[in-house]
Amino acid sequence: SQTIHQWPATLVQPVGSPLSLECTVEGTSNPNLYWYRQAAGRGLQLLFYSVGIGQISSEVPQNLSASRPQDRQFILSSKKLLLSDSGFYLCAWMQAEAFFGQGTRLTVV
Amino acid sequence: QKEVEQDPGPLSVPEGAIVSLNCTYSNSAFQYFMWYRQYSRKGPELLMYTYSSGNKEDGRFTAQVDKSSKYISLFIRDSQPSDSATYLCAMRKGANSKLTFGKGITLSVRP
Repeated sequence: SQTIHQWPATLVQPVGSPLSLECTVEGTSNPNLYWYRQAAGRGLQLLFYSVGIGQISSEVPQNLSASRPQDRQFILSSKKLLLSDSGFYLCAWMQAEAFFGQGTRLTVV
Repeated sequence: QKEVEQDPGPLSVPEGAIVSLNCTYSNSAFQYFMWYRQYSRKGPELLMYTYSSGNKEDGRFTAQVDKSSKYISLFIRDSQPSDSATYLCAMRKGANSKLTFGKGITLSVRP
């Protein structure tokens, strides 16, 4: 069966520091992968999606970037974090429905 | 008008109650409809998945889709404290298109 791994679960980072969140999928090949951010009262905001290695689409302009170095690996990055980057970040793998990782709660201080 | 509207809640019910959660949408192109349950500090998990109009039942959960009214519902029978979570509706136009989510409603089932 397919599983999706996301780490770390919790992260506290100072303003201006870099960020790297990793997501990997097992049990499937060539998955469509997504990064979402969830803020209280604002629902799930789609940040990036990828349909294959090296293929990244950005939904909103922001301080973040994404990369897909391998078929089952999706990375969310930032060179310099802002306070407004705090939130709950979710990686998802999608067929007809979406399967989510357990999320990373990022607090920028 | 937002593409998907979901009652903001929160919602608190006594154990054993029937819960009705609803979403409306504006885009008639949506064909696939989902309900997710999200416990605190966890990722959403898929509860129900339906294609086009109709009802789908799974244990205590029933999902309804009324495409003519652009309205979807999730019913929970005999609600339990373990049902306390945030529920998100989601929908998409095609099998490979992006999902659009409601903002979610937090349900609390009191023992």
